Amino acid sequence: GAGVSQSPSNKVTEKGKDVELRCDPISGHTALYWYRQRLGQGLEFLIYFQGNSAPDKSGLPSDRFSAERTGESVSTLTIQRTQQEDSAVYLCASSPFTGGYTFGSGTRLTVV
Amino acid sequence: GESVGLHLPTLSVQEGDNSIINCAYSNSASDYFIWYKQESGKGPQFIIDIRSNMDKRQGQRVTVLLNKTVKHLSLQIAATQPGDSAVYFCAESGMDSSYKLIFGSGTRLLVRP
Repeated sequence: GAGVSQSPSNKVTEKGKDVELRCDPISGHTALYWYRQRLGQGLEFLIYFQGNSAPDKSGLPSDRFSAERTGESVSTLTIQRTQQEDSAVYLCASSPFTGGYTFGSGTRLTVV
Repeated sequence: GESVGLHLPTLSVQEGDNSIINCAYSNSASDYFIWYKQESGKGPQFIIDIRSNMDKRQGQRVTVLLNKTVKHLSLQIAATQPGDSAVYFCAESGMDSSYKLIFGSGTRLLVRP
C-alpha cells in the first residue's frame, strides 16, 4: 500500500484481556518500529525490527508485551492481561534501510 | 523503556510570524535528526531531517539548525499558518543504535489568526 496501515484504529478491551495490534508496513521497507504514546505525551520506543536480524526489544515495558514480524512483512504487537496503564495510542512506523520513517495513524487502545 | 513522557510546552504565535521550536537531544553519538509534526488523531508526519555533518538545512518554509556543541536542535517555520498548528517532535538516531529513533518531548504550536 501507499502508507503504513494499522488495525484496528480503535480498540476497547476489558482489563485482563489480551489484545493484538497489527501493522502493515510499506512494501520494501526493511525496518519496522512500534512506539507507544500516552495522552498528551511524547513517543515511547517499544521494539524495532530490521530485516531478519534479532529485534531490539529494549523498550518493551514488561513481559506482558511481545511483538512478532515475519521477514519484511506484517507485524503484530500483543499485550497480554491488559492493565489500565496500557491505555495509549500504539504507533507503528517503517523505513527503508537508509532511514526515512513513515508512521501509521496508530491504534488507540482503551482498557476499561 | 526509553520515554519522553513530559507534559507538552506550548508556543503561541500570530499567523504570519516566524516560529522557532527548540529541542535538546541526549546522545552525543547521535548523527541523524528528524523533526515530525503530529496533528490530533494522526501519526507523526516527517517534516525535515539533518545529519550531523551539517549545521543547517532548509526546506519549504522550514529550516532546521543543529548545534552539536550544546546538543541542540531547532525548527524554524517561516510565515506560520493556521495549518501549522500541531505538536512538533524532534527525534534522534545514531549509527550505533541501528536507526532506532528516540523522540524528544514535544512542543505544541498554536497559531493565532
